[in-house]
Amino acid sequence: KAGVTQTPRYLIKTRGQQVTLSCSPISGHRSVSWYQQTPGQGLQFLFEYFSETQRNKGNFPGRFSGRQFSNSRSEMNVSTLELGDSALYLCASSLEGRVGPEFFGPGTRLTVL
Amino acid sequence: DQQVKQNSPSLSVQEGRISILNCDYTNSMFDYFLWYKKYPAEGPTFLISISSIKDKNEDGRFTVFLNKSAKHLSLHIVPSQPGDSAVYFCAASEAGGSNYKLTFGKGTLLTVNP
Repeated sequence: KAGVTQTPRYLIKTRGQQVTLSCSPISGHRSVSWYQQTPGQGLQFLFEYFSETQRNKGNFPGRFSGRQFSNSRSEMNVSTLELGDSALYLCASSLEGRVGPEFFGPGTRLTVL
Repeated sequence: DQQVKQNSPSLSVQEGRISILNCDYTNSMFDYFLWYKKYPAEGPTFLISISSIKDKNEDGRFTVFLNKSAKHLSLHIVPSQPGDSAVYFCAASEAGGSNYKLTFGKGTLLTVNP
């Protein structure tokens, strides 16, 4: 069974630009959550979507937004990029229920110059 | 301030022996704990979880123990196999919060030698 896929795998942007990252969960999984990983802060929760609805949100500014489509694919958008947004962005796929993120994708490495 | 700490960056164990990975936490509001396993170039995968109403949860070769008074949890792998070589993360969520809003430790690299 195919795992969680994230596109693109690598991205370079400049300050002030915006970026959209995509995540395709495991087939049949309805929950998608997003995390930011940096060397200093480790993994931090951004938000979680279930059946196209944002169920939970972390402590990130409004520049970070997301959405989920009817096929459970999810996108994350970051507007007005800052240098500090450089990070590995991971999405995770979960079947249903509240156990938490189950399978993480390989991530998208975003570099902001 | 690191609320979830994995103080051993690495651990090396012989195949067939027990691997014990440790995790300490400081936030007394944490009531749900998870362990993840991560292979190189892949994202983490959920391994096992435990709620604070229990002190032990077992799944095959993997057992997680929770000591609430010491704010300590541990993952036991018995017997260890070379395929268990990976980075292990512990994570925690607060009571009343989402099980997706997790605080992660920095991870412990486990190497199981044949």
